[in-house]
Amino acid sequence: KQEVTQIPAALSVPEGENLVLNCSFTDSAIYNLQWFRQDPGKGLTSLLLIQSSQREQTSGRLNASLDKSSGRSTLYIAASQPGDSATYLCAVPDQGGSEKLVFGKGTKLTVNP
Amino acid sequence: DAGVIQSPRHEVTEMGQEVTLRCKPISGHDYLFWYRQTMMRGLELLIYFNNNVPIDDSGMPEDRFSAKMPNASFSTLKIQPSEPRDSAVYFCASRTSGTGVTGELFFGEGSRLTVL
Repeated sequence: KQEVTQIPAALSVPEGENLVLNCSFTDSAIYNLQWFRQDPGKGLTSLLLIQSSQREQTSGRLNASLDKSSGRSTLYIAASQPGDSATYLCAVPDQGGSEKLVFGKGTKLTVNP
Repeated sequence: DAGVIQSPRHEVTEMGQEVTLRCKPISGHDYLFWYRQTMMRGLELLIYFNNNVPIDDSGMPEDRFSAKMPNASFSTLKIQPSEPRDSAVYFCASRTSGTGVTGELFFGEGSRLTVL
């Protein structure tokens, strides 16, 4: 069964700092990986989707990389802002290329003004 | 499009009562997923549908839980009878099926259930 781990569980940084969030997964036979953002009391918002054939994907100040062979992905946030404060979750298909997504427990990010 | 729409946003009920959560997926999306989120277990997939047909309900905790999708624009998740341990946020999500490429998953705002 696919397992997803996100480290650290929580991170607090000053505004303007560049930061990296980590995601690791046990079954590397995935067809994509998604990063989501969740604000308190809200649903999840998709940030980036990386196909298995891609190594990275960029959207504004966000850059996600994927290394399937090592079972790892990183989400890089440049020049962090207080509005980036949220919980960030990564998700990959369950073992065997299932349609089911397995989520990590997330990294809670706080960006201090 | 308005996105995935869930109702109610909040539900407080007493143990033993029936609870029905509702979801309207994004128009044109042929996959619908029901997830449950708790602090202890994170996000767990309960069941998913493809073209209104339940494909995998292995995540449904027990027979007290049931889900239906009578048409492409509506799904329900029912708990009968409810128990305090069912207290959680229930999310509905939908996406399209690409041509061999799976698309983004879009979530609703969730239904926060509290069973007293």
